[in-house]
Parts: sequence; C-alpha cells; structure tokens
Amino acid sequence: DQQVKQNSPSLSVQEGRISILNCDYTNSMFDYFLWYKKYPAEGPTFLISISSIKDKNEDGRFTVFLNKSAKHLSLHIVPSQPGDSAVYFCAASEKGSGTYKYIFGTGTRLKVLA
Amino acid sequence: NAGVMQNPRHLVRRRGQEARLRCSPVKGHSHVYWYRQLPEEGLKFMVYLQKENIIDESGMPKERFSAEFPKEGPSILRIQQVVRGDSAAYFCASSPLPNTEAFFGQGTRLTVV
Repeated sequence: DQQVKQNSPSLSVQEGRISILNCDYTNSMFDYFLWYKKYPAEGPTFLISISSIKDKNEDGRFTVFLNKSAKHLSLHIVPSQPGDSAVYFCAASEKGSGTYKYIFGTGTRLKVLA
Repeated sequence: NAGVMQNPRHLVRRRGQEARLRCSPVKGHSHVYWYRQLPEEGLKFMVYLQKENIIDESGMPKERFSAEFPKEGPSILRIQQVVRGDSAAYFCASSPLPNTEAFFGQGTRLTVV
C-alpha cells in the first residue's frame, strides 16, 4: 500500500527553467510534508517542509505547494541549476497523532540540462 | 547532513553472519530513526528510538532485526543471520525534537554474499 506516490520516476529540465516535482498521497491524516534531495551514495538532505495548515511555503528557489482537497503537493525549483540534478523524495507524516515515522515516496530523478 | 555519522559506509557479510550498523546522531539530538532503502525504492521506516527507549518499531521485521540507543554511545542496528534480501542501504537520521525535520547520515550499504 503506497500511501505516498511520486508517479514520475524522472524529469529533465533545461537550466534556468522551472522544475515541478509532484507528489500524491492517500492518507488524509497526514499533516506534515517534507521534501528531501538525494545524491548518489549520500544520505537524503532536507530541503523544505510544509504543515497542513498552510498551502504554500517558500525558501529561496524552492517553493512547496499543498492542495489538501486533492491530496497533492508539488515542489517548484526556479530557476533550475545543474547542481539540482538529484533524486527528490517527498515524505509525509501524521505529526498531530503522535506517530513519528515519515512515509516516503519512491523518488523522482531530476536532471537539469546545461 | 555531515552531523549524523554512520559506520561503516560499506559492509559485506556472508549469509548467516551478523551485521552491526552504527549511528552517531547530531550532537544534542536524542531522537534517532532508522530507514532502509532497497534498490529502486524509496526509504522505508524501520524504527524510532529515544535514549534507551524504543518508541516505534512498527517497520522492523519481526525476526533477526533489533535496534538500541544506549545512554552512552551510538545507536546500533543489528541484523542476525543475514540473508541476501537484507542487502540494502540503511540510513540513520536524527532530530532535536520528535517528528521535526530529520537529518540523515550517509548510510551504510550492506551487501550479503
């Protein structure tokens, strides 16, 4: 049962353009969402998070949008840079219910072309 | 995040041997999480520990796997009698508070031959 889904395994974007990575979830109890970036042979690096009381959170070139009714979130990177090429994972948790685990999607491999 | 230290980075074990994976959290973090990543898959939660206590082990296989986070020293994930299916990358993460942004180590890549 995949509660967090990233349906695009890969995405290629030209340098300077916008990258949009999507994530869907099925559990309506999720109230906290995160995006992580992962380079090969390294651990995931935290990028940005959003609580379910918000619909948008911005940090520099990274913006996360949350659509609770559609159970959908997206990560926008603008402008995209070659160093952004990595695998991006979205994760969700039920922060309000006192559980502590993140449920991760399977990842989207972003390639930014110079 | 360089603050979470995992060792070894690579571990090769023969079937039936024991594997011990170590994790030193960021200084001051008392919440530790272990995740496993199988090839071409996302990270799967295994266990959440606070100092000396297992809080949530709902993702741990019922047999052969155990974890601890003693008062002194690193957290240990122990896999007894390893099988080929245990080959994976095991990531440790830590956070200063429960269920906040967790910082991951670089992982231990376990290969069972």
